[in-house]
Amino acid sequence: GQQVMQIPQYQHVQEGEDFTTYCNSSTTLSNIQWYKQRPGGHPVFLIQLVKSGEVKKQKRLTFQFGEAKKNSSLHITATQTTDVGTYFCAGPNSNTGKLIFGQGTTLQVKP
Amino acid sequence: NAGVTQTPKFRILKIGQSMTLQCAQDMNHNYMYWYRQDPGMGLKLIYYSVGAGITDKGEVPNGYNVSRSTTEDFPLRLELAAPSQTSVYFCASRWSGGNSGNTIYFGEGSWLTVV
Repeated sequence: GQQVMQIPQYQHVQEGEDFTTYCNSSTTLSNIQWYKQRPGGHPVFLIQLVKSGEVKKQKRLTFQFGEAKKNSSLHITATQTTDVGTYFCAGPNSNTGKLIFGQGTTLQVKP
Repeated sequence: NAGVTQTPKFRILKIGQSMTLQCAQDMNHNYMYWYRQDPGMGLKLIYYSVGAGITDKGEVPNGYNVSRSTTEDFPLRLELAAPSQTSVYFCASRWSGGNSGNTIYFGEGSWLTVV
């Protein structure tokens, strides 16, 4: 079945450093979504990428969708303590309606 | 809109007991999902539904049952609770219309402990 893998699983950075998480799907995706979950909270939608090679920015966050639509990345520039949490990518299966999540990357930021 | 509402928020069950986690959404979403999240882990899909009267298994359906008699409600039933079902359960929903409608909205979660 469809699998979505994320690396790394954990990342500790010093405040001000950059951070990147990578997402790879075993199948081509119609779109990819990114979510953030704060400790003790629920996942919250960040963004959706649809087009091959698409790049979107949200302030210090940059999201990319691969040319083959099987991989994606989230890059945070100059991390802040408010960026702490777990970042998930998710790939919907347009045929079945399933939405499969990657394992997530947990970001810790040291002030 | 209240969004996605889950109840209860916390529950302790004894081994072998049964219970139902309730989930309701008021956004007229056609797709609904149940995920479980073990401590420090990702989200595993238990069951999902693409519309009233239609349900299908996800990645980890064993030990659970669902029903979708209305668009709004998608309860998750645990029969014969086991310690392995100790987890946080998230209900979610989305509208499937077109590429712009894939955003999934999550409930706040239900913390379940089986002892």
